[in-house]
Amino acid sequence: QKEVEQDPGPLSVPEGAIVSLNCTYSNSAFQYFMWYRQYSRKGPELLMYTYSSGNKEDGRFTAQVDKSSKYISLFIRDSQPSDSATYLCAMSASNFGNEKLTFGTGTRLTIIP
Amino acid sequence: DAGVTQSPTHLIKTRGQQVTLRCSPKSGHDTVSWYQQALGQGPQFIFQYYEEEERQRGNFPDRFSGHQFPNYSSELNVNALLLGDSALYLCASSLVGTYTYEQYFGPGTRLTVT
Repeated sequence: QKEVEQDPGPLSVPEGAIVSLNCTYSNSAFQYFMWYRQYSRKGPELLMYTYSSGNKEDGRFTAQVDKSSKYISLFIRDSQPSDSATYLCAMSASNFGNEKLTFGTGTRLTIIP
Repeated sequence: DAGVTQSPTHLIKTRGQQVTLRCSPKSGHDTVSWYQQALGQGPQFIFQYYEEEERQRGNFPDRFSGHQFPNYSSELNVNALLLGDSALYLCASSLVGTYTYEQYFGPGTRLTVT
């Protein structure tokens, strides 16, 4: 069993829709959670970072963490064609800058104009 | 301010050959981590270098080795290439003492093994 599970999709939604992306994890040591966006042939770029259970909002993006269920989500409101990319969840056990990240498989998202 | 750079962009090798990939960290960063991202998969941690030493290692065979230079740049070497080594190799840089999310990824080197 993988430490982090993520539905690979692909997921296609019409422009303006709300997108929900999810990951589950099995390792209780994970305390820090990140969402990365990766465009084709590019490296991942950080979108959101959360620590505690609950919600964190940044513009059209909301990250949600439920540590009791080992479940994290990313919501995208008013989705735009430019949001079309692969979304990766990542986790770490510590908050130090040299801590390795454990990634999910990534969900490929397409926003249809 | 240049971000993380990697070279080459892509390359094609034959089974059994050896390959060296290069990474220059973001200005001011002192730690380099390498990840392998197979097609349709998330990045997997290979190893990390800090102060010119390997500090952490993921579940990768000894065929994968690395080096960090005094200027913090790094190399990833893969010997005896297998078809399964075909992937996007990502380099991430960070600064000791900063937060986990302050790791920055380069664009990657796409390796194809035939």
